[in-house]
Amino acid sequence: DGGITQSPKYLFRKEGQNVTLSCEQNLNHDAMYWYRQDPGQGLRLIYYSQIVNDFQKGDIAEGYSVSREKKESFPLTVTSAQKNPTAFYLCASSITHRDIRGYTFGSGTRLTVV
Amino acid sequence: AQTVTQSQPEMSVQEAETVTLSCTYDTSESDYYLFWYKQPPSRQMILVIRQEAYKQQNATENRFSVNFQKAAKSFSLKISDSQLGDAAMYFCAYRSNAEYGNKLVFGAGTILRVKS
Repeated sequence: DGGITQSPKYLFRKEGQNVTLSCEQNLNHDAMYWYRQDPGQGLRLIYYSQIVNDFQKGDIAEGYSVSREKKESFPLTVTSAQKNPTAFYLCASSITHRDIRGYTFGSGTRLTVV
Repeated sequence: AQTVTQSQPEMSVQEAETVTLSCTYDTSESDYYLFWYKQPPSRQMILVIRQEAYKQQNATENRFSVNFQKAAKSFSLKISDSQLGDAAMYFCAYRSNAEYGNKLVFGAGTILRVKS
């Protein structure tokens, strides 16, 4: 079955460490997205990528970095510069950046700073 | 920038009854899309329904329907014959048709509790 796989489901990070969240899709989608979910704030866009080797900052990109070297993969690195990284992170994809049908989402990664 | 407001943090409904979740948005655009997503306890986001702004007819999907009021910038979700499986967080989302990037702007969400 096609879908988006996010791993790990739960991730713990010590303060000052970088950590990378994985997002892999086998839907042959061109566009991929990273959102952060916090209680009472909904989902906020971190980064998005319309095509391989291209990505743009979203609304809250500070302290995060991404790469898009393969169509299937869009990993998110949470750096030590991110002041409040504890959150639920969702990866999503769409066929293209013109797709009006909404996203397919992964099942998310819960990141906790300890 | 567009904003989406869901003014009801929590709602409750009795099983088999009808409930309406509210959503308003702020935009100066005339061409856009609106969505309702469901996030059950598994946290997997599921698309419930979509509305194109150029269509006057309200979208429906089985027990789910919307009341789209373009002039009022309102997009409410009605769930009929509520079932226990409808219990979830519901997010309203906006997509501009003018901006590059297929970005969705989400509201803060409404938790729906279904009582048996």
